[in-house]
Amino acid sequence: KQEVTQIPAALSVPEGENLVLNCSFTDSAIYNLQWFRQDPGKGLTSLLLIQSSQREQTSGRLNASLDKSSGRSTLYIAASQPGDSATYLCAVRLYNNNDMRFGAGTRLTVKP
Amino acid sequence: KAGVTQTPRYLIKTRGQQVTLSCSPISGHRSVSWYQQTPGQGLQFLFEYFSETQRNKGNFPGRFSGRQFSNSRSEMNVSTLELGDSALYLCASSNSGHADEQYFGPGTRLTVT
Repeated sequence: KQEVTQIPAALSVPEGENLVLNCSFTDSAIYNLQWFRQDPGKGLTSLLLIQSSQREQTSGRLNASLDKSSGRSTLYIAASQPGDSATYLCAVRLYNNNDMRFGAGTRLTVKP
Repeated sequence: KAGVTQTPRYLIKTRGQQVTLSCSPISGHRSVSWYQQTPGQGLQFLFEYFSETQRNKGNFPGRFSGRQFSNSRSEMNVSTLELGDSALYLCASSNSGHADEQYFGPGTRLTVT
């Protein structure tokens, strides 16, 4: 059974700091991995999608990597800002049944 | 392009009642998936519809059902509501394939009293 784990569960950093969020999954049979941002009480905003054949994707200050063989992905946020404060979720799209499995998320707080 | 819309945004129901939630996908998207989000269980997959057919189903009881119309709009129904059904229900749409990016709506907050 696919398990998705995100570490740390919560992170607090000063503004301007670079940071890394981690996501690990137990089964490498995936179509892709997607990173989302969720603000309190709101829906999910897609940040980056990495297909299983790709190693990384970049969008602005965000860079996500994928190592399918080791079951790991990282989301790198450069020069963090208070507006980056949110919960970040990773999710894998399973190959065998098309299900999408989510991690529990990392709650990020960026202090001014 | 308009995003994924969900109605209603908030709903309060009583135990034993039933509820129907609606989701309109991004124009041109044919796949709609539904998820339940609770503080204890996180985000869990309910089911996915593609071209009016249920393509995949998560591990939820039969009280949870859905359907998709020819215009790709989807509805989700929960019968005989229980307190534990209180959650944020999210729908997501994607173009068609399993490898496509999913776009989420703002969710419907259901409270069962």
